[in-house]
Amino acid sequence: DGGITQSPKYLFRKEGQNVTLSCEQNLNHDAMYWYRQDPGQGLRLIYYSQIVNDFQKGDIAEGYSVSREKKESFPLTVTSAQKNPTAFYLCASSPLGQGDNEQFFGPGTRLTVL
Amino acid sequence: QKEVEQNSGPLSVPEGAIASLNCTYSDRGSQSFFWYRQYSGKSPELIMFIYSNGDKEDGRFTAQLNKASQYVSLLIRDSQPSDSATYLCAGLSGYSTLTFGKGTMLLVSP
Repeated sequence: DGGITQSPKYLFRKEGQNVTLSCEQNLNHDAMYWYRQDPGQGLRLIYYSQIVNDFQKGDIAEGYSVSREKKESFPLTVTSAQKNPTAFYLCASSPLGQGDNEQFFGPGTRLTVL
Repeated sequence: QKEVEQNSGPLSVPEGAIASLNCTYSDRGSQSFFWYRQYSGKSPELIMFIYSNGDKEDGRFTAQLNKASQYVSLLIRDSQPSDSATYLCAGLSGYSTLTFGKGTMLLVSP
């Protein structure tokens, strides 16, 4: 089945720890994205990548890092520099083109800082 | 600053009624607009997108776009309790990045 997978579904982190969230897609999409969602809020873009070995900061990149070594994978690291990391993290992918660049979302990872 | 504004709701409608969800946007360069549905605790799923002025229909859903007024709407006909969710409006600017509104919660009562 084609789709986007994220792991783990739930993640608990102690203050001062770095954690890495996994995102994999087998849709052969060029572009991948990471969003953060807080309760009652919309999605805010953290990082995105349109091609392997290249990525751009979104609106709230501080305290996060990413890599894009393979087309299928776009892991997100939440570093200790992120002061309020508790949130729902969503990964998405889309084909590149004009007009209908619909983004498909993975099931999400819920991160809680203890 | 690109912004997409939505009324947070909740919007309450009885089963069988038409639900009307609205969205305004600030970036005149936005080319396409997307409506996503998000159930509590789940990830967003795409309902439909629109990029031309006017109406676009898909089953019980109709998206409307008015670029002159910078206004997008989603109509849901014959609303069902299973339609109860948060609806996210998003605008596509530039090549591939979406700007999301905060979403409108819809409650459909039996």
